Amino acid sequence: QVELQESGPGLVKPSETLSLTCSVSGVSISSSIYYWGWIRQSPGKGLEWIAIIYYSGNTYHNPSLRSRVTISVDTSKNQFSLRLTSVTAADTAVYYCATIPWYYYYMGVWGKGATVTVSS
Amino acid sequence: QTVVTQEPSVSVSPGGTVTLTCGLSSGSVSTNYYPSWYQQNPGQAPRTLISTTNTRSSGVPDRFSGSILGNKAALTITGAQADDESVYYCAFFMPSISWVFGGGTKLTVL
Repeated sequence: QVELQESGPGLVKPSETLSLTCSVSGVSISSSIYYWGWIRQSPGKGLEWIAIIYYSGNTYHNPSLRSRVTISVDTSKNQFSLRLTSVTAADTAVYYCATIPWYYYYMGVWGKGATVTVSS
Repeated sequence: QTVVTQEPSVSVSPGGTVTLTCGLSSGSVSTNYYPSWYQQNPGQAPRTLISTTNTRSSGVPDRFSGSILGNKAALTITGAQADDESVYYCAFFMPSISWVFGGGTKLTVL
């Protein structure tokens, strides 16, 4: 079955760049039926969609984060990644990666989440 | 900016039926917004329950059902069980190719 696993540093200093990778198993990231996405959840808060990417490199971003977000895909490693620049304490959150079955437009399979704290 | 509204908290008796709703500040909800529903327990990732208004994900019990009720998306739990106590989030797919989530409903089964 499809499984996703987030990885990356759990602590990032303010003004630096947050980098996370999502490793995909059970399906090729080049599958035509999925986009691949990042969603985050700040402590005690709700869910916020960040960005999605297709294996070809086509992307869509949350407008509120667009200027700081880069999402990329590595088909050779079956992974996709998130970079968030100029982080502040407001970016402290659990970051989830997920499948986005295209034409159905929902978050299908979720990773377990990676906790990222922004602190000096 | 689009705001998604959910009841902050709802309670239901074991075996009872409860409906959670999800509204859009911009107007009525329709299937064109592809409503989806997620269940999240403390310390865990969300679990997808419902997609495209009323399609249950694999392994989701049929006591969970999705619909459009009036001008909102709805999640109905028929025959609530103790382990349905959780936080439920809805989400809408917007025409601009983006998603908006509701703030979540904490369901108590007592």
